[in-house]
Amino acid sequence: DAGVIQSPRHEVTEMGQEVTLRCKPISGHNSLFWYRQTMMRGLELLIYFNNNVPIDDSGMPEDRFSAKMPNASFSTLKIQPSEPRDSAVYFCASSPWTDLAKNIQYFGAGTRLSVL
Amino acid sequence: AQSVAQPEDQVKVAEGNPLTVKCTYSVSGNPYLFWYVQYPNRGLQFLLKYITGDNLVKGSYGFEAEFNKSQTSFHLKKPSALVSDSALYFCAVRVPNYGGSQGNLIFGKGTKLSVKP
Repeated sequence: DAGVIQSPRHEVTEMGQEVTLRCKPISGHNSLFWYRQTMMRGLELLIYFNNNVPIDDSGMPEDRFSAKMPNASFSTLKIQPSEPRDSAVYFCASSPWTDLAKNIQYFGAGTRLSVL
Repeated sequence: AQSVAQPEDQVKVAEGNPLTVKCTYSVSGNPYLFWYVQYPNRGLQFLLKYITGDNLVKGSYGFEAEFNKSQTSFHLKKPSALVSDSALYFCAVRVPNYGGSQGNLIFGKGTKLSVKP
């Protein structure tokens, strides 16, 4: 398996622009997570899905952020409009659904976002 | 509130020496504890986990961790460090049925491990 695939790896954009980050989870995994990593705040969970349904989006910072999972093999995280403080590395992770509490998560390589 | 603390931002050791990366947690209920490692420009990789049973857990790359309930700690250890172990290490905790968000992992801020030749 190729693992969790994220695209793009790097994204540079200007303030006010829309940004879309993409994630393909490991085949057969039913849970998908979006994280944001910054020096100041460390690793933060933004949202996670089980069977394509958002379960916990309490980490989504504000209405500018939205995430979708239209099917089991694809998810997007969108920021509109983007701001410089959104600059971070965004990770997607997936996990098997069975006994989610005990299961490990498999991370993608991340998307490094820079908003100028 | 559920939380995880990694008290050291950075740990430096010489190659061949033992290493310890500290982690303490604060949760209500029985925790599930994890260690992940992040190499430069990569995503996190699972190292080991404690769910139940033996307090000493062995994981990948020769790492192990000891669960200590009385001290609420889950320190990561390795008897002999390698230069290639240099990376960012994250402790994480998950509490079953915590607020219904059973899948939610709470991460520490990470500890940078530097192993010098």
